[in-house]
Amino acid sequence: DAGVIQSPRHEVTEMGQEVTLRCKPISGHDYLFWYRQTMMRGLELLIYFNNNVPIDDSGMPEDRFSAKMPNASFSNLKIQPSEPRDSAVYFCASSFAALHEQFFGPGTRLTVL
Amino acid sequence: GENVEQHPSTLSVQEGDSAVIKCTYSDSASNYFPWYKQELGKRPQLIIDIRSNVGEKKDQRIAVTLNKTAKHFSLHITETQPEDSAVYFCAVNQAGTALIFGKGTTLSVSS
Repeated sequence: DAGVIQSPRHEVTEMGQEVTLRCKPISGHDYLFWYRQTMMRGLELLIYFNNNVPIDDSGMPEDRFSAKMPNASFSNLKIQPSEPRDSAVYFCASSFAALHEQFFGPGTRLTVL
Repeated sequence: GENVEQHPSTLSVQEGDSAVIKCTYSDSASNYFPWYKQELGKRPQLIIDIRSNVGEKKDQRIAVTLNKTAKHFSLHITETQPEDSAVYFCAVNQAGTALIFGKGTTLSVSS
């Protein structure tokens, strides 16, 4: 397996634009997590899914953020409209079961100008 | 909610020395305590984890100890090597599966 795949790896956009981040988890993993990493706030859980169902989205900063998982092989995280304070590295991770090793993707570095 | 405190924020050691990083947490219901290593510009990777029914776990030069009564757990790295230089994050589960991460410790090992 190629591991968790994320795209794009880098995204530069202007304030107000819509941003879509994509993730393909490891095949057979039932859990998918979206994290945001900044120097100030560290690594924060935004939302996680179990069997494609969102379980906990309490970490989603505000209504501008949304995430979906239409099938076991794909999830996306959307920010609309984007703001400069959204600039961060966004990681997707997946795990085989609850409270087991989470495998992280390479991350998407988002810069909002 | 869960609160995770990690200390120190930076740690510098000489090659061959030991390094210890400590985390404290607030939720007595937490029962899963992983440690992740993140090299510069890379993704976090699990290096060791421990569950609440175990007090200590070792994997070669790495060990983790857990004190559930005091609500703290520590990462111990012995015989440090330059390739151990990275940011180390502790984490604790909250309300089941969600992980809350500490702010990280930047470990620098000089040769």
